[in-house]
Amino acid sequence: GAGVSQTPSNKVTEKGKYVELRCDPISGHTALYWYRQSLGQGPEFLIYFQGTGAADDSGLPNDRFFAVRPEGSVSTLKIQRTERGDSAVYLCASSLSPAEEQFFGPGTRLTVL
Amino acid sequence: AQSVTQPDIHITVSEGASLELRCNYSYGATPYLFWYVQSPGQGLQLLLKYFSGDTLVQGIKGFEAEFKRSQSSFNLRKPSVHWSDAAEYFCAVGVQTGANNLFFGTGTRLTVIP
Repeated sequence: GAGVSQTPSNKVTEKGKYVELRCDPISGHTALYWYRQSLGQGPEFLIYFQGTGAADDSGLPNDRFFAVRPEGSVSTLKIQRTERGDSAVYLCASSLSPAEEQFFGPGTRLTVL
Repeated sequence: AQSVTQPDIHITVSEGASLELRCNYSYGATPYLFWYVQSPGQGLQLLLKYFSGDTLVQGIKGFEAEFKRSQSSFNLRKPSVHWSDAAEYFCAVGVQTGANNLFFGTGTRLTVIP
């Protein structure tokens, strides 16, 4: 079956602009996670959804970052007033339930100029 | 707070040689432990996981890992490395209750030489 997909695969933007990153989880997976992977680092947890609600957003670095999952499936990570330090690969993962294996998408590489 | 340490940033092995990648974790309770592999342009793929029970776990692609509570370690091993194993390897720890948010180490890059 189809895995986790993320669009776009690459996004180049200018400092100060607004960006949206999309994640399509595996069908039927109720848990969805966003991670950020900076160059030379491991993925860093950002936010976790169980269904439509954000169950844990403790990893969001500041209030410029926001994520939604209005229908419990597709999720969008939104970044306002982008900064150069936001440049990273943003990874999405989904799992059948919170304790189950997480399946990762290929990521969106965000570059802020 | 939980954390993961992968002390080796880069390892080079010859094809056919054995491999051991080190992982040490810090967590107050019995952790969920994972090894993921990331190839260039690919998503993270789960190699194996430990939740409970037998401390030696088998994974895909001939990998295995051993959970040693006394050493807070979860080292990944493979008896004979193939050129296709060249990739970045990440150890991760998950919290035991609620959402299984993963905390990753910084990774070990494996190079395989002929």
